[in-house]
Amino acid sequence: AAGVIQSPRHLIKEKRETATLKCYPIPRHDTVYWYQQGPGQDPQFLISFYEKMQSDKGSIPDRFSAQQFSDYHSELNMSSLELGDSALYFCASSLERERTDTQYFGPGTRLTVL
Amino acid sequence: AQSVTQLDSHVSVSEGTPVLLRCNYSSSYSPSLFWYVQHPNKGLQLLLKYTSAATLVKGINGFEAEFKKSETSFHLTKPSAHMSDAAEYFCVVSDRNFNKFYFGSGTKLNVKP
Repeated sequence: AAGVIQSPRHLIKEKRETATLKCYPIPRHDTVYWYQQGPGQDPQFLISFYEKMQSDKGSIPDRFSAQQFSDYHSELNMSSLELGDSALYFCASSLERERTDTQYFGPGTRLTVL
Repeated sequence: AQSVTQLDSHVSVSEGTPVLLRCNYSSSYSPSLFWYVQHPNKGLQLLLKYTSAATLVKGINGFEAEFKKSETSFHLTKPSAHMSDAAEYFCVVSDRNFNKFYFGSGTKLNVKP
């Protein structure tokens, strides 16, 4: 079965650079969620989208922005990167109209900021 | 607000012995609860979920969890641990609209030969 795809899987950037992470949800899924998992930490919710509209927001820094496109894929844009942004970024997807309560997670993008 | 507390940060068992990973939740309404597993350098995989149906939930790989409202608990169990079960396990509660998940701090399971 198709799963959530995230790209790239690994990304190395320097401080003050920008990064764009991409998430392709499971086909037919219309809701996307982004999480950040720092080293040794539990995943923290960043932001979610339903039908291309932001549906909820968590602890996302102002330097980060995200959007969901017409094909339901999502991009997380991160600017002015800091060392503390080094983390594993997960995307998850679900199908809202069936009230599917399960989020299916992608493999994550590991971002390293040097 | 919703939250989960995983009572043990590390659990170590011998192969073939039972596994118990503890989770207590806090929710202002009837919650949806999940257990996810994360193997090293891997993504999160759903083990099982509780969504107000049967209180005893069976998941993949022989895991099961029981929802106990009176104890606000959702402990994860497995009768016999396998080496491949060594991983980190997260107990998760969702908000009412399933817009976001709240993760516990995780329990690292070590399985000794």
